[in-house]
Amino acid sequence: KAGVTQTPRYLIKTRGQQVTLSCSPISGHRSVSWYQQTPGQGLQFLFEYFSETQRNKGNFPGRFSGRQFSNSRSEMNVSTLELGDSALYLCASSMTGAANEKLFFGSGTQLSVL
Amino acid sequence: DQQVKQNSPSLSVQEGRISILNCDYTNSMFDYFLWYKKYPAEGPTFLISISSIKDKNEDGRFTVFLNKSAKHLSLHIVPSQPGDSAVYFCVAITSGTYKYIFGTGTRLKVLA
Repeated sequence: KAGVTQTPRYLIKTRGQQVTLSCSPISGHRSVSWYQQTPGQGLQFLFEYFSETQRNKGNFPGRFSGRQFSNSRSEMNVSTLELGDSALYLCASSMTGAANEKLFFGSGTQLSVL
Repeated sequence: DQQVKQNSPSLSVQEGRISILNCDYTNSMFDYFLWYKKYPAEGPTFLISISSIKDKNEDGRFTVFLNKSAKHLSLHIVPSQPGDSAVYFCVAITSGTYKYIFGTGTRLKVLA
């Protein structure tokens, strides 16, 4: 069974640009969540999707948005990039998002904003 | 507002000895706790979990202890092995919120 796939692996953008990151969950998993990891901050929850619906979101500005497609694949978009958006962006999938389920993570997209 | 805190950024332990990683939380609504391990350039992987109705869960070399009154949990690794060297994240969630809250991580180094 293929794992969680995130593309691209690395991205370099300049301030003011926008970026779209992609996440393909494990087959059969319908919950996808996104996290931002920066040095010293751990993983910060961005949002969670299930059946194309956002069920919760973290404390990030509206420049961060996401969506989920009918095949459970998910994308997140960051508009008007700032230097502070440089981070590792991780997505995770699980069957339904229930608390007692394991999250399976992708390897992440490393975004650098210059 | 860091609801899950791992106050030790790093820990070094000799191979074969016990590793104890600690975690404190502030939100009494959390009802499920997990530990994830992360190697460089990889996503975190699940290690062990515990429900708030329990105070201990064991899986092989890994044991998690939960003290709800102190809002504290710990992960014990016995015996520690060099392959355990990684960053360990304490994670908490309230059922029905679908929002996992991660601590800042503890970097464990097991010395051979």
